[in-house]
Amino acid sequence: DSGVTQTPKHLITATGQRVTLRCSPRSGDLSVYWYQQSLDQGLQFLIQYYNGEERAKGNILERFSAQQFPDLHSELNLSSLELGDSALYFCASSRGASGHQETQYFGPGTRLLVL
Amino acid sequence: SQKIEQNSEALNIQEGKTATLTCNYTNYSPAYLQWYRQDPGRGPVFLLLIRENEKEKRKERLKVTFDTTLKQSLFHITASQPADSATYLCALNQAGTALIFGKGTTLSVSS
Repeated sequence: DSGVTQTPKHLITATGQRVTLRCSPRSGDLSVYWYQQSLDQGLQFLIQYYNGEERAKGNILERFSAQQFPDLHSELNLSSLELGDSALYFCASSRGASGHQETQYFGPGTRLLVL
Repeated sequence: SQKIEQNSEALNIQEGKTATLTCNYTNYSPAYLQWYRQDPGRGPVFLLLIRENEKEKRKERLKVTFDTTLKQSLFHITASQPADSATYLCALNQAGTALIFGKGTTLSVSS
């Protein structure tokens, strides 16, 4: 158990809909990272928040947005969903701001299926 | 274009042998390289981090090398066990703090 929690575990929705994925980092970790994993693309970095502020941005679509709240939990909002958005979405956390030089702890993921 | 390639998609070896996984990268100059293990349907788990000025890092049965001239990292598991069967991901940093992951190599260790 990494200490990172994600809800829900599974989500089934229809095209055009909007969903919110939630992540609680490990106690004491200030950074939260969001990743998307699909069979053909592998694990893709979406966005990082550090202590409430956006820190780094990856291949995140304009239809997707995220935020980190004062209690450090984070939400990833996916809107106008398309079939191709079906994937596993992982959240990870780390102690500091520099995830590339420290351990990132991954949550169990949310499996999103868009029908 | 920038690429991270992990040798074959699948590697099958016998218990007790050494597994060697390769991570090659193109058009990156990472200062750090990490290796993660991922089991089916679960989140990746951190294994090792190596810096560009380190040639080799060890942890128990695991060894990682980092050759910035060849633009390659090798990941070794010695005395492999069926419990080592999983997908292994290499990850490196581009500019800033983002980690870029390879697609992984799935290792199967048979008894």
